[in-house]
Amino acid sequence: GQQLNQSPQSMFIQEGEDVSMNCTSSSIFNTWLWYKQEPGEGPVLLIALYKAGELTSNGRLTAQFGITRKDSFLNISASIPSDVGIYFCAGQRFGNEKLTFGTGTRLTIIP
Amino acid sequence: EAEVAQSPRYKITEKSQAVAFWCDPISGHATLYWYRQILGQGPELLVQFQDESVVDDSQLPKDRFSAERLKGVDSTLKIQPAELGDSAMYLCASSSGTGDNEQFFGPGTRLTVL
Repeated sequence: GQQLNQSPQSMFIQEGEDVSMNCTSSSIFNTWLWYKQEPGEGPVLLIALYKAGELTSNGRLTAQFGITRKDSFLNISASIPSDVGIYFCAGQRFGNEKLTFGTGTRLTIIP
Repeated sequence: EAEVAQSPRYKITEKSQAVAFWCDPISGHATLYWYRQILGQGPELLVQFQDESVVDDSQLPKDRFSAERLKGVDSTLKIQPAELGDSAMYLCASSSGTGDNEQFFGPGTRLTVL
């Protein structure tokens, strides 16, 4: 099945650094969601975006819905050890439809 | 806080055996989804229910997989017979079915087929 392109695939950063990742699609989506998944657990919803150009924050996390509706971005400021995990973007064309997930960005924090 | 419940959390079985997974969505959520996640990839939809009706099962391997949501609340996903390639995480998600429609996931069932 189709998966959205996420970059980077993995990131190795030091605690306190800021993180940026993005997600791109060849198709337009009307909803973008960002999830975090830890080993052996299900994805946890971080931020939901519903309008092109929308910028939404959740604590140290900020996500943006791209103007073209074909991309989205997630930033994490001042990373801490509990930020470690895999971050997935997911797009949805219309309400109630299945989510199309990205390939994931694995975040590792170097001590 | 309302959560999606899944059981079992882990299942090890031999190929050709039957397995079943259970999901209890967030109370009041009309839409229920079963996703399969292969290690290193994002989840992919297997089947979607709106109340007790199947909305999308286009990616469900119907020769061996079945899913039901008889009373429009909890749901069961079955595999019979299991194959080696079925080893994966099986995730259940639910959404209200109205409004903004955010999907919330359960902890998943990790299936290993030997």
